[in-house]
Amino acid sequence: DAKTTQPPSMDCAEGRAANLPCNHSTISGNEYVYWYRQIHSQGPQYIIHGLKNNETNEMASLIITEDRKSSTLILPHATLRDTAVYYCIVRFFTGANSKLTFGKGITLSVRP
Amino acid sequence: GAVVSQHPSWVICKSGTSVKIECRSLDFQATTMFWYRQFPKQSLMLMATSNEGSKATYEQGVEKDKFLINHASLTLSTLTVTSAHPEDSSFYICSARDGGNYGYTFGSGTRLTVV
Repeated sequence: DAKTTQPPSMDCAEGRAANLPCNHSTISGNEYVYWYRQIHSQGPQYIIHGLKNNETNEMASLIITEDRKSSTLILPHATLRDTAVYYCIVRFFTGANSKLTFGKGITLSVRP
Repeated sequence: GAVVSQHPSWVICKSGTSVKIECRSLDFQATTMFWYRQFPKQSLMLMATSNEGSKATYEQGVEKDKFLINHASLTLSTLTVTSAHPEDSSFYICSARDGGNYGYTFGSGTRLTVV
């Protein structure tokens, strides 16, 4: 699976949009981009995933550049409860046995 | 949505004893589950892949005789930390593939403290 690079941390004000970047310059054509987050002392939570089109769900939006070498997770109206470590993971969608490998992630701090 | 239940959420045990952690998929069947370990301020590290009805696949450097994994049914995998030592103290997390959204659902984790 391709490697991802994320800045170690960022913060944003409550109510504002949080834009979390991720670089995956070695991504191959059939690798998906997944985002998970981990709130302190809990298991990771699935947020969203995409291949090449932008995706949106009730939690967030995922913007993938046309060359697919980077992506941005957007939390449109961040709340204090969004403070967490966010992991960007690139992997093949190859079946149930495929494992998720976590990098260091980005720590998002939402300030009041 | 898909739910993975992990039990216990925390456990304290004496050095030299064994501890069993359960991971259950509540509303879906999981032929494969995954076990992770996370030390403070570090990321999740995959320990092993648990396959229903067959032997688990361990990542390099993980002692299979120390971390026993049993996946006897499509909804239950267990991790037993044998002869636990203080250095085994960690946050253990399981996950299973959720066939609905193609993501992985994680348990809430087990905080193991060996004293």
